[in-house]
Amino acid sequence: DIVMTQSPDSLAVSLGERATINCKSSQTVLYSSNNHNYLAWYQQKPGQPPKLLIYWASTRESGIPDRFSGSGSGTDFTLTISSLQAEDVAVYYCQQYYSTSYTFGQGTKLEIK
Amino acid sequence: EVQLVESGGGLVQPGGSLRLSCAASGFTFSSYWMNWVRQAPGKRLEWVATIKQDGSEKYYVDSVMGRFIISRDNARNSLFLQMNSLRAEDTAVYYCARGPDYQLPNNWFDSWGQGTLVTVSS
Repeated sequence: DIVMTQSPDSLAVSLGERATINCKSSQTVLYSSNNHNYLAWYQQKPGQPPKLLIYWASTRESGIPDRFSGSGSGTDFTLTISSLQAEDVAVYYCQQYYSTSYTFGQGTKLEIK
Repeated sequence: EVQLVESGGGLVQPGGSLRLSCAASGFTFSSYWMNWVRQAPGKRLEWVATIKQDGSEKYYVDSVMGRFIISRDNARNSLFLQMNSLRAEDTAVYYCARGPDYQLPNNWFDSWGQGTLVTVSS
């Protein structure tokens, strides 16, 4: 299975500042024939199901604020929140769908400093 | 509005069985891959099973292979997970999650239900 590893495990950022979460896969999730990275990002708030933020590594889901962006290719990816809002406090997960045995990262807990 | 509502969770003894259901509405159910994803208390998300639009392809995480069966009824807009030979490590909130509407078996999950709790304990 492809192992997804996120860093850091937790992060505290001041309101209005930038938050950056990293995700590394144990093997490439870039499919060379279509040049797509099979990588998604989710936000999960306490007591709620996850919410899709980004897919194809950088395509923002409909309705997601543009302060959320995804980047990276191959094995290294980043989720960036450009200006942290109070409602962004959550756990964030990356997920690969390159292999049909889909796997998630361990999660990064984002808090307000 | 897409809605996914799970039911069927509960307390079951080790070795027992349980059948989860997911009622879908607000979209053309037969056009989408569907999935089950679980989350043990305080743990990361774990994908469990996937089924193609017409039920012709099914995929499972290794730890449930041979014990769980995913199925769907497109006429009733419903997704199911039959769980047999349950173990303590199957204890989790089980989410029904929608995949894409294309033909490839590479799923991200764009809509989720609220989840149903399965507890395996004696």
